[in-house]
Amino acid sequence: QVQLQQSGPGLVKPSETLSLTCAVSGYSISSGYYWGWIRQPPGKGLEWIGAIHRGNTYYNPSLKSRVTISVDASKNDFSLKLTSVTAADTAVYYCARHLYVVDSWGQGTLVTVSS
Amino acid sequence: QSALTQPASVSGSPGQSITISCTGTSSDIGFYEFVSWYQQHPGKAPKLMIYDVTKRPSGVSNRFSGSKSGDTASLTISGLQAEDEADYYCSSYTSINTWLFGGGTRLTVL
Repeated sequence: QVQLQQSGPGLVKPSETLSLTCAVSGYSISSGYYWGWIRQPPGKGLEWIGAIHRGNTYYNPSLKSRVTISVDASKNDFSLKLTSVTAADTAVYYCARHLYVVDSWGQGTLVTVSS
Repeated sequence: QSALTQPASVSGSPGQSITISCTGTSSDIGFYEFVSWYQQHPGKAPKLMIYDVTKRPSGVSNRFSGSKSGDTASLTISGLQAEDEADYYCSSYTSINTWLFGGGTRLTVL
């Protein structure tokens, strides 16, 4: 059974870059599926950030200019970078495995943007 | 692209049935059979309840069912139970190779 374990800082300063990593176990990232990120601001709904699939990336148009998702196949993990963060980027960030449906979620990481 | 539209809240008594709607456009719900529904309890990651409009993952109660008509999908929960109280989110694949979520619906079991 696939498991996703997230890591990364819980506090980021405004204008800096948010970086998170998701380690995958029980499945090889190179075997397929989309590997993506979803966030949820406190008290609000889910927002799909983007995903990577066989080297191709797909991003939410509203975040595209600030987002990079990449894979490290040697470590079987994938990462999120979100640049120029503001308080509006404060949220719980989830990594996820999906095709047309998300079937596996990471545990979630609360990232707070504050000086 | 805008979020899919869901009612902010619905409620029902134990044993009753409720339906949550999710409205999109002809570029997402109306075009693809890739609508899914997630249940989220406070402080927890979402849990998949319905996928491909009508399919239930293994282990999900048959009290949960999904349907679609045009640009609107629906989740119906029959025989409401206290444990069903949670937030529910719909999601759809889109024509520009992205995924959209709804704004979420808070279900209260009275």
